[in-house]
Amino acid sequence: AQTVTQSQPEMSVQEAETVTLSCTYDTSESDYYLFWYKQPPSRQMILVIRQEAYKQQNATENRFSVNFQKAAKSFSLKISDSQLGDAAMYFCAYRSLLGDMRFGAGTRLTVKP
Amino acid sequence: DTEVTQTPKHLVMGMTNKKSLKCEQHMGHRAMYWYKQKAKKPPELMFVYSYEKLSINESVPSRFSPECPNSSLLNLHLHALQPEDSALYLCASSQEGAGGSYIQYFGAGTRLSVL
Repeated sequence: AQTVTQSQPEMSVQEAETVTLSCTYDTSESDYYLFWYKQPPSRQMILVIRQEAYKQQNATENRFSVNFQKAAKSFSLKISDSQLGDAAMYFCAYRSLLGDMRFGAGTRLTVKP
Repeated sequence: DTEVTQTPKHLVMGMTNKKSLKCEQHMGHRAMYWYKQKAKKPPELMFVYSYEKLSINESVPSRFSPECPNSSLLNLHLHALQPEDSALYLCASSQEGAGGSYIQYFGAGTRLSVL
């Protein structure tokens, strides 16, 4: 079974600064999807960014970008120009083509004004 | 519109009660999911429905019974639950197949407390 590891339980960043959240995963599959979701205290899971494993180009969404290293099975999230509204729990997720999705344990991000 | 609606938002039930959680989406998605999330933990997949058929059951106890009456609606029937079943139950849907994004859109969840 696939496993997802987030080694940083908590991270802190100053407003307007950049922070990188780490994620590694274990799989024997060659094709899959990777996601970063955020979950604020309101508890709604919100998609941040998506990466298809067959694409070598790293995904970007405005201030959010990923560093996808398929051979190393690494999928880190970089948040640039951090804003107070970015404070949340961030989950890295692996989705197989069969539909099952596995989440990492999460990283709680605090943004300091 | 990327909205997944879950009702009720909160539910308190006794161990002998029967209750149901409801999830609805009108995005034309043909895959729907139930997750269980305990406090300070990630969501755990329970069930996956694809084209109204159960495709994944993650060895969930039979006191949880899913149902997909149509492509827009997903229910989770609860019976004889235990206090350890208290959690946030999340529903999600996604567009699969050719041209699908495979992005799962989540509802706000139902906070369940079993007394």
